[in-house]
Amino acid sequence: AQKVTQAQTEISVVEKEDVTLDCVYETRDTTYYLFWYKQPPSGELVFLIRRNSFDEQNEISGRYSWNFQKSTSSFNFTITASQVVDSAVYFCALSSTGGFKTIFGAGTRLFVKA
Amino acid sequence: GAGVSQTPSNKVTEKGKYVELRCDPISGHTALYWYRQSLGQGPEFLIYFQGTGAADDSGLPNDRFFAVRPEGSVSTLKIQRTERGDSAVYLCASSLDVGWGNTIYFGEGSWLTVV
Repeated sequence: AQKVTQAQTEISVVEKEDVTLDCVYETRDTTYYLFWYKQPPSGELVFLIRRNSFDEQNEISGRYSWNFQKSTSSFNFTITASQVVDSAVYFCALSSTGGFKTIFGAGTRLFVKA
Repeated sequence: GAGVSQTPSNKVTEKGKYVELRCDPISGHTALYWYRQSLGQGPEFLIYFQGTGAADDSGLPNDRFFAVRPEGSVSTLKIQRTERGDSAVYLCASSLDVGWGNTIYFGEGSWLTVV
């Protein structure tokens, strides 16, 4: 069975703090993709990153970075020097050879206070 | 259009009524998905189309829910005899290619409230 767990329901930080959002996944497939999406208050889910299971290199995009560790089945997301505009719900998701569907976690709501 | 377009953006209906929600995917995208998102939850898969056919409808909760994509582009999600528990945001998404692992791009959703 496939499953994505985001144990942090809500996180609150002050602007300029670094924050890490945790994602743990479960799948029996050896080939899979992991994703992060952002859902701001406006409601539309915005794609952030896609990573395949054979590429464990960390990725950095501006203030965003992702740490993929197959040994712990985790794909964590760090925002450096957070800003108020980062306030949103962030979803981790998984898609594997087991089917067409992309499975989402329950999301982590991030509040960044000025 | 540039993104996935969904109409209506908001729909309030009475219990027992029939509802149709429409989705226009990104131009050129072959695959189309419907998800449902309840308050405080992540998107929950409903159905996936490759072209005109439903390749996976395992997420439809019961036979009151049905979706079509007759010409391989626009899709309509149909809900019969609506119940209060159907209240949620219905999200449509599309991807360029069919198959697993593709990045899916979402619309803004249709907020359905059943009273």
